[in-house]
Amino acid sequence: KAGVTQTPRYLIKTRGQQVTLSCSPISGHRSVSWYQQTPGQGLQFLFEYFSETQRNKGNFPGRFSGRQFSNSRSEMNVSTLELGDSALYLCASSLKSSQNINTGELFFGEGSRLTVL
Amino acid sequence: AQSVTQLGSHVSVSEGALVLLRCNYSSSVPPYLFWYVQYPNQGLQLLLKYTSAATLVKGINGFEAEFKKSETSFHLTKPSAHMSDAAEYFCAVSESKAAGNKLTFGGGTRVLVKP
Repeated sequence: KAGVTQTPRYLIKTRGQQVTLSCSPISGHRSVSWYQQTPGQGLQFLFEYFSETQRNKGNFPGRFSGRQFSNSRSEMNVSTLELGDSALYLCASSLKSSQNINTGELFFGEGSRLTVL
Repeated sequence: AQSVTQLGSHVSVSEGALVLLRCNYSSSVPPYLFWYVQYPNQGLQLLLKYTSAATLVKGINGFEAEFKKSETSFHLTKPSAHMSDAAEYFCAVSESKAAGNKLTFGGGTRVLVKP
């Protein structure tokens, strides 16, 4: 079974630009979460999607947005990039039971490393 | 909101020695506690998960963790370190079952294994 796939793996942008990152979850996983990882702030939750609906959102400005498609693939977008947005962006998928109980067990992709110059 | 504290950002152990990584959560008992491992240039991988079924949780690669409510701790141990254990380890909590997959992570502990 293929794991979580994130594209692109590396990208460089300049301040003010916008970026879109893509995530394909493990087949059968309907929940997709996004996390930002930086040396200073560590791992921080961005948002979670399930069945094309945002279930939870972290404490990030509105420049950070995401969406999920009917095939569970997800994208996140960051507009008006700032230097501080340089980070590893991790996507994680999870299986939800038929009772709508979250397992909390996340399967992470290798991340998209964004550098903002 | 839950918070997680990992004592020691770096730990150095000799191959074959005990690995002990400390994790403390905030006072309210979370429904789930986790340890994840991150190898260089990779995403995170689940080591083990506490769900209140048992206080001693066994995970992959010989790791285990013990939940101690009185100490609000969930420390990770491995009796004998191997070179392949060199990685960064993260403790995490889930706020509540309703919080879904929103996890709060500790700052991480980087493990160096000396031959």
